[in-house]
Amino acid sequence: DVVMTQSPLSLPVTLGQAASISCRSSQSLVYSDGNTYLSWFQQRPGQSPRRLIYMVSKRDSGVPDRFTGSGSGTDFTLKISRVEAEDVGVYYCMQGTRWPWTFGQGTKVEIK
Amino acid sequence: EVQLVESGGGLVQPGGSLRLSCAASGFTFSTYWMTWVRQAPGKGLECVANIKQDGSERYYVDSVKGRFTISRDNAKNSLYLQMNSLRAEDTAVYYCARETRGLSHWGQGTMVTVSS
Repeated sequence: DVVMTQSPLSLPVTLGQAASISCRSSQSLVYSDGNTYLSWFQQRPGQSPRRLIYMVSKRDSGVPDRFTGSGSGTDFTLKISRVEAEDVGVYYCMQGTRWPWTFGQGTKVEIK
Repeated sequence: EVQLVESGGGLVQPGGSLRLSCAASGFTFSTYWMTWVRQAPGKGLECVANIKQDGSERYYVDSVKGRFTISRDNAKNSLYLQMNSLRAEDTAVYYCARETRGLSHWGQGTMVTVSS
């Protein structure tokens, strides 16, 4: 299985400051069709996961533009340009290139 | 609006069985791959099984192979997960999710507890 490794696992941030989460895969996530199926999810306390980013950098409908995904191959990053109180939760990366789809361990974002 | 509503969770003894259901609405169910994902209490996410639009292809994570069966009824816009020989480690919230270049939409989940 493809192993997804996130860092850091805990991320205390000041409101209005930027935050960055890294996600690395044990194998290239480039699929045979040339696309890279790497997504980012936000899970607020007590809620279901919500997808923010798909195919590395495409933002889902309704997702604020302060969320940006980047990367390629095996190395990916989610950046929040100015953290707001509603951004508190756990963030997961997920690869959808090789079954079984696998998730990172999660990064808990909290306000300092 | 896309809606996915899971049901069928509950408390079951080790070795027992449960059948989860997911009712889909707000989209053409028969045109999407669907996936079951679980989350043990306080833990991360694990994809358990997925199924092609017409049910002709089904994939499982190794830990549930031979015990769980994913199926769908496109006429009823419903997804199912038959879980047999349940173990304590199957205790989790089970979510159904629609696949669109990844898992684009999720239900609210249904809790399965395996305990004596």
